[in-house]
Amino acid sequence: GENVEQHPSTLSVQEGDSAVIKCTYSDSASNYFPWYKQELGKGPQLIIDIRSNVGEKKDQRIAVTLNKTAKHFSLHITETQPEDSAVYFCAASPIQGAQKLVFGQGTRLTINP
Amino acid sequence: DGGITQSPKYLFRKEGQNVTLSCEQNLNHDAMYWYRQDPGQGLRLIYYSQIVNDFQKGDIAEGYSVSREKKESFPLTVTSAQKNPTAFYLCASRPVVGLNEKLFFGSGTQLSVL
Repeated sequence: GENVEQHPSTLSVQEGDSAVIKCTYSDSASNYFPWYKQELGKGPQLIIDIRSNVGEKKDQRIAVTLNKTAKHFSLHITETQPEDSAVYFCAASPIQGAQKLVFGQGTRLTINP
Repeated sequence: DGGITQSPKYLFRKEGQNVTLSCEQNLNHDAMYWYRQDPGQGLRLIYYSQIVNDFQKGDIAEGYSVSREKKESFPLTVTSAQKNPTAFYLCASRPVVGLNEKLFFGSGTQLSVL
């Protein structure tokens, strides 16, 4: 089955700097790659997603890139702000079987003022 | 407000006791899911349901049971067979039965063992 590895597990950046979180996946049949943000004591919320027919997608300060050949995808946050502090999860969805996502282990991002 | 409501927010279980976590959604979503979250391990799928009166095991179903008698409700029972139940439990739903759709999560229930 699908396996998703996420790095780093913790990341600390200065406010205003950029943050990058990387994920690799094992199943070449996966075609959907969302990113979720989880604030303390809350459930995760989708912040951006990408499908395998697209190499990059942007939404304001957030972007995701996908390299299908290497089977990895990354989340880029520019001009970081204190409210970006949270745990971020990547995920991958295999085509066959059930419509379930396989999540990475999570990255705790801290923005230092 | 539309959304997913999980209750209680905190729950304590005694040895040998079954406990039930509630999940209700008013989003009219067909599919519902239960995930377990442990520190440093991400989210792992326990059970999911794509339609009323039908559900499937996820990756870590042992020691858990579910029911789906109504579209809006998907309760999870943590049985005494689950030897390490302490975790943060998340319920989620999707708008349609199909591939690659956004998951909507509740705010979670923290279960601890006394």
